[in-house]
Amino acid sequence: KQEVTQIPAALSVPEGENLVLNCSFTDSAIYNLQWFRQDPGKGLTSLLLIQSSQREQTSGRLNASLDKSSGRSTLYIAASQPGDSATYLCAVDTDKLIFGTGTRLQVFP
Amino acid sequence: DAGVIQSPRHEVTEMGQEVTLRCKPISGHNSLFWYRQTMMRGLELLIYFNNNVPIDDSGMPEDRFSAKMPNASFSTLKIQPSEPRDSAVYFCASKVTWNTEAFFGQGTRLTVV
Repeated sequence: KQEVTQIPAALSVPEGENLVLNCSFTDSAIYNLQWFRQDPGKGLTSLLLIQSSQREQTSGRLNASLDKSSGRSTLYIAASQPGDSATYLCAVDTDKLIFGTGTRLQVFP
Repeated sequence: DAGVIQSPRHEVTEMGQEVTLRCKPISGHNSLFWYRQTMMRGLELLIYFNNNVPIDDSGMPEDRFSAKMPNASFSTLKIQPSEPRDSAVYFCASKVTWNTEAFFGQGTRLTVV
């Protein structure tokens, strides 16, 4: 059974710091991995999709990496801003999306 | 495209009543998912459809829950009878096919009193 874990569960940092959020999964047989952002009381917004054949994907200040063989992905946020405060979720796609429990990020001015 | 559309956004009902949640996926998307989110359990997959056919309903918690997808542009999740422990946010998501990006609706916040 696929299990997805995210570390840390919560993170509080000052504005401007570079951040790394971690996601690990137990079964490497995945089609892709997707990172989402969720603001309080809102739905999930897709940030990045990494295909299983890819190692990295970038969008603006966000960079996600995937090491399928070791069951790990990281989301790197450069020069964090207060507007980045949200919960970040990773999900592995095995035809259905299996989610981690998320990392709650707070960036303070 | 307007994205995945869910209705209602909020629902408050009394225990024992029937609740129907609705979802309109993005046009052209062939896979549809229903999730439930709670503080205790996070995001749980309830059921998903490919080309309107239910593929995996192992996450449906009890027989009180049922889901249908009568056509490519509409799906319902029904709870009958509802119970207080069903209180959660229910999300619908869709994607084109098996290896593509998934998009979520804004969710329905269900409160059963």
